[in-house]
Amino acid sequence: AQTVTQSQPEMSVQEAETVTLSCTYDTSENNYYLFWYKQPPSRQMILVIRQEAYKQQNATENRFSVNFQKAAKSFSLKISDSQLGDTAMYFCAFMKTKAAGNKLTFGGGTRVLVKP
Amino acid sequence: DVKVTQSSRYLVKRTGEKVFLECVQDMDHENMFWYRQDPGLGLRLIYFSYDVKMKEKGDIPEGYSVSREKKERFSLILESASTNQTSMYLCASIGGREKLFFGSGTQLSVL
Repeated sequence: AQTVTQSQPEMSVQEAETVTLSCTYDTSENNYYLFWYKQPPSRQMILVIRQEAYKQQNATENRFSVNFQKAAKSFSLKISDSQLGDTAMYFCAFMKTKAAGNKLTFGGGTRVLVKP
Repeated sequence: DVKVTQSSRYLVKRTGEKVFLECVQDMDHENMFWYRQDPGLGLRLIYFSYDVKMKEKGDIPEGYSVSREKKERFSLILESASTNQTSMYLCASIGGREKLFFGSGTQLSVL
């Protein structure tokens, strides 16, 4: 079974600064997907970024970028130029490719607080 | 925009009651999921369904059952609610590019 670990329960960052969230996972699979989801106080889960394991290039979405280290099974998220609206819970998630049901396995989450 | 709708945002029930949590999606997705969210534990998969009347247990199915009679609707059932089932419940369905669409959650309190 896959496991996903987020070692930082909470992080705070000043507005406009950069913060990096860590995520490690354990799998014997070679092909899979990794995700970062954001959950603001509204509780609505929002997909932030998606990485396919067979792609060596790190995914980027505007101010959000990942550092994907396949051999180390590490998938960290960097938030640049942090904004107050980035305050949320962030979840790292893993999905096997071609798995029945496409189910995701989530980490425990990291609460990010952006301070003005 | 894809919509996943959960019938209740907040729910308070008594121990031993039978509880139904309803979820409806409007994008003809085949795969639907029920997750439970608890602080420090993240989201844990209770059950999922990959077709009408098809269901599979997730990681924590004990105390729960599900029903999928129609493609758009996936119901989570607590046969006899207990206090340790107090939690946030999130429904989701999956579309193209493996993107999961979530409902806005039901915060269930069992007293």
